Amino acid sequence: DQQVKQNSPSLSVQEGRISILNCDYTNSMFDYFLWYKKYPAEGPTFLISISSIKDKNEDGRFTVFLNKSAKHLSLHIVPSQPGDSAVYFCAPGSSNTGKLIFGQGTTLQVKP
Amino acid sequence: DTGVSQDPRHKITKRGQNVTFRCDPISEHNRLYWYRQTLGQGPEFLTYFQNEAQLEKSRLLSDRFSAERPKGSFSTLEIQRTEQGDSAMYLCASSLMNGQGYTGELFFGEGSRLTVL
Repeated sequence: DQQVKQNSPSLSVQEGRISILNCDYTNSMFDYFLWYKKYPAEGPTFLISISSIKDKNEDGRFTVFLNKSAKHLSLHIVPSQPGDSAVYFCAPGSSNTGKLIFGQGTTLQVKP
Repeated sequence: DTGVSQDPRHKITKRGQNVTFRCDPISEHNRLYWYRQTLGQGPEFLTYFQNEAQLEKSRLLSDRFSAERPKGSFSTLEIQRTEQGDSAMYLCASSLMNGQGYTGELFFGEGSRLTVL
C-alpha cells in the first residue's frame, strides 16, 4: 500500500527555467507535507514544508503548493540552478507522531 | 558538529552475522527515528522513540531487528543473523517535539550503509 507516490522518476530542465516536481498521497490524516533533497552518500536534507491549513508556502526560489481535495502537492523551483541537481523526496507526515512517509523520489538534473 | 551522527558509516558483513548501528541525535531532541533506504526507493520508516520509549515499530522490523534507546539519548539498531536482503542504507533522524513552531522537520544523519555478502 503505497501512501505517497512520485510518478516521475526523473526530470531534466535547463538552467534558469522552472522545475516542477509532483507528489500524490492517499492518507487524509497527513497534516504536514515536507520536501527533502538528497545527494549521493548523504542523508536527506530538509528543503521546505507546508501544513495542511495552508495551500502555498514560499522560501526563496522554492515554493510548495498543496491541493488537499486532490491529495496532491508540488514543488516549484525557479529559477533552477545546476546545484539543484539531486534526488527530491516528498514526505508527508503526522504532527502526532512526527513520522514521515517518503515517496520514491524524483531525480532532478539541471543542465547549464 | 552538532548534527545527527551515525556509526559506522559503512559495514560489510557475511550472511548470518550480527551487526549493530549507533545513532547520536541532536542533544536536545526527544524523538529519534530509524529508516531504511534501498536503491531507487525513498526511506522507509522502521521505528521511533520518544525519549527512551519505543512508540511504534513498522511491520518491516522483523524479529531479527531490535532497536533501543536506553537513556533517551543515543540509540542502537541491531540486526541478528543478517540476510542479503538486509543490505541497505540505515538512516537515523531526530526531532524536538514540544508543540512550539512545529515544521515537521526531521534532522537526518548521513546513514550507515550495510552490505551483506
